[in-house]
Amino acid sequence: GDSVTQMEGPVTLSEEAFLTINCTYTATGYPSLFWYVQYPGEGLQLLLKATKADDKGSNKGFEATYRKETTSFHLEKGSVQVSDSAVYFCALSELTGGGNKLTFGTGTQLKVEL
Amino acid sequence: NAGVTQTPKFRILKIGQSMTLQCAQDMNHNYMYWYRQDPGMGLKLIYYSVGAGITDKGEVPNGYNVSRSTTEDFPLRLELAAPSQTSVYFCASRRSGTTTNEKLFFGSGTQLSVL
Repeated sequence: GDSVTQMEGPVTLSEEAFLTINCTYTATGYPSLFWYVQYPGEGLQLLLKATKADDKGSNKGFEATYRKETTSFHLEKGSVQVSDSAVYFCALSELTGGGNKLTFGTGTQLKVEL
Repeated sequence: NAGVTQTPKFRILKIGQSMTLQCAQDMNHNYMYWYRQDPGMGLKLIYYSVGAGITDKGEVPNGYNVSRSTTEDFPLRLELAAPSQTSVYFCASRRSGTTTNEKLFFGSGTQLSVL
């Protein structure tokens, strides 16, 4: 079945450092890929998405490229801020016989310090 | 826009008690979902609904029940609460499920402890 694997956290960085959170996936078809972010005490919200191979999703300085050859969708940001501290979830969405199925990774906690 | 509204935000139950977690959305979304989030385990799908009167099981439905009498509301019922149901519960919705690129809108969650 479908699965999403993320690097374990927490990831602790200093402000203005470069961020990479790795995400790889397993799917039988042609899924769409997402990064959701969860700020403390809140629900998840969409950060960015990509719907086909080689697409790059971007938002708020974050980027991720849909790499079909390596089945990856790594999240990157060139210069993190304290306000980026949150939990980041990689997810895929695929149409199956039972409908549209969304599979989440386990989440990676990011802590950014001054 | 209120979006997806969940109540209550926090609840403590005793073993064997029952309760209903409420979820309402005002976006006229057809698809609604209940997830539970356990530490280090990501989100697991409990139940989902593709429209009023239609519900189906997700990955971890045991110990839960749902109903969908209106498009707006999708309550989750816990019968005979057990410590294994201690978790954070999220309700989510999206307009349709016929394409893969639609995002989910999440509520702010219900933190439930069963003691």
